[in-house]
Amino acid sequence: EDQVTQSPEALRLQEGESSSLNCSYTVSGLRGLFWYRQDPGKGPEFLFTLYSAGEEKEKERLKATLTKKESFLHITAPKPEDSATYLCAVQAGAAGNKLTFGGGTRVLVKP
Amino acid sequence: DTEVTQTPKHLVMGMTNKKSLKCEQHMGHRAMYWYKQKAKKPPELMFVYSYEKLSINESVPSRFSPECPNSSLLNLHLHALQPEDSALYLCASSQGGVVGAFFGQGTRLTVV
Repeated sequence: EDQVTQSPEALRLQEGESSSLNCSYTVSGLRGLFWYRQDPGKGPEFLFTLYSAGEEKEKERLKATLTKKESFLHITAPKPEDSATYLCAVQAGAAGNKLTFGGGTRVLVKP
Repeated sequence: DTEVTQTPKHLVMGMTNKKSLKCEQHMGHRAMYWYKQKAKKPPELMFVYSYEKLSINESVPSRFSPECPNSSLLNLHLHALQPEDSALYLCASSQGGVVGAFFGQGTRLTVV
């Protein structure tokens, strides 16, 4: 069974204090790893897709990287508007279009 | 247009009611999804439609009945729900294959 674990569960940062979120996965044949941002009471917002180890994607203050066992979401010089829950999800070989989500990391950036 | 539209935004229903959730996308996506999300938990997959055919049913109770009338629309029919079914119901769509899915803003369902 595919498993996705995110750490830490919660992260409190001062504005400008860079940090990284971790997503470790155990799957049979990774086809893609996805990062989403979710604000309270809203649907997840798609951020990145990563397909193979060594791949990196960037968007504004966010940078996602992928290894054979885990992915990192680096937040550089965060601002209060970066406060959200960040979700990692995987799509694996036998699962068709199914996404398996991790538990998420709740990020709070204080001014 | 990268929008998935869900209606209604909020729904309160009794345990004997029948109601429907609606989802619409005009991105030409061929895969559409229903997810259920409880507070402080990740989304849980319920159903996947691929090319208007049900391709994945995650052993969801029969009181939830999905329907895909055409490639742009997805419904979730609700009947005889329980209070524990109260949650945020999310619709998503994608091109299919290994690409990111786009989510709607959800329907907040409360069963009383």
